[in-house]
Amino acid sequence: DAKTTQPTSMDCAEGRAANLPCNHSTISGNEYVYWYRQIHSQGPQYIIHGLKNNETNEMASLIITEDRKSSTLILPHATLRDTAVYYCIVRVDGGSQGNLIFGKGTKLSVKP
Amino acid sequence: DVKVTQSSRYLVKRTGEKVFLECVQDMDHENMFWYRQDPGLGLRLIYFSYDVKMKEKGDIPEGYSVSREKKERFSLILESASTNQTSMYLCASSISGTGNEKLFFGSGTQLSVL
Repeated sequence: DAKTTQPTSMDCAEGRAANLPCNHSTISGNEYVYWYRQIHSQGPQYIIHGLKNNETNEMASLIITEDRKSSTLILPHATLRDTAVYYCIVRVDGGSQGNLIFGKGTKLSVKP
Repeated sequence: DVKVTQSSRYLVKRTGEKVFLECVQDMDHENMFWYRQDPGLGLRLIYFSYDVKMKEKGDIPEGYSVSREKKERFSLILESASTNQTSMYLCASSISGTGNEKLFFGSGTQLSVL
């Protein structure tokens, strides 16, 4: 599975959009982009995933560039409860799911 | 919502003790996983299971064993606990199939081995 690069930390004002970038320049054509987050002292939580097209659900939007070498997770109206570490992962769909490599992620701090 | 329940939130054991960490999921998921999470090392896979009575080694199985006698329950066993097994242990489950493979995690068990 391809590696990802994320900023170590980011700040966001409460109520504003949080845009979290992820670089995955070695992504293969059959690899999906997954996002999870981990709130302090809890287990990781699935947010969203996509292959080529942009995706949106009740939690967030995922924007994948046309060349698929990078993506952005968007939390449209960040709240204090969105403070967490956000992990971007790329993996082959149908591959061994247990081998998700979480990396260090981006620590998002939402401030009042 | 899927619920993955880990039996203990905090656990303190002594070196050499046999330790059982229990995990139960309520959504009839085929796949279950045990990870440990340590500062600076991220999540590392210990063992996983794709079916009852079936188990596969992950990246760091040494010192651990698992048991899956029922579909909903996946137990992690530390045969003889050591101080380097002090860690946060996370259980996860998922449904089999492609295109919709989301892992659902429990809240974790913080194990301290003294």
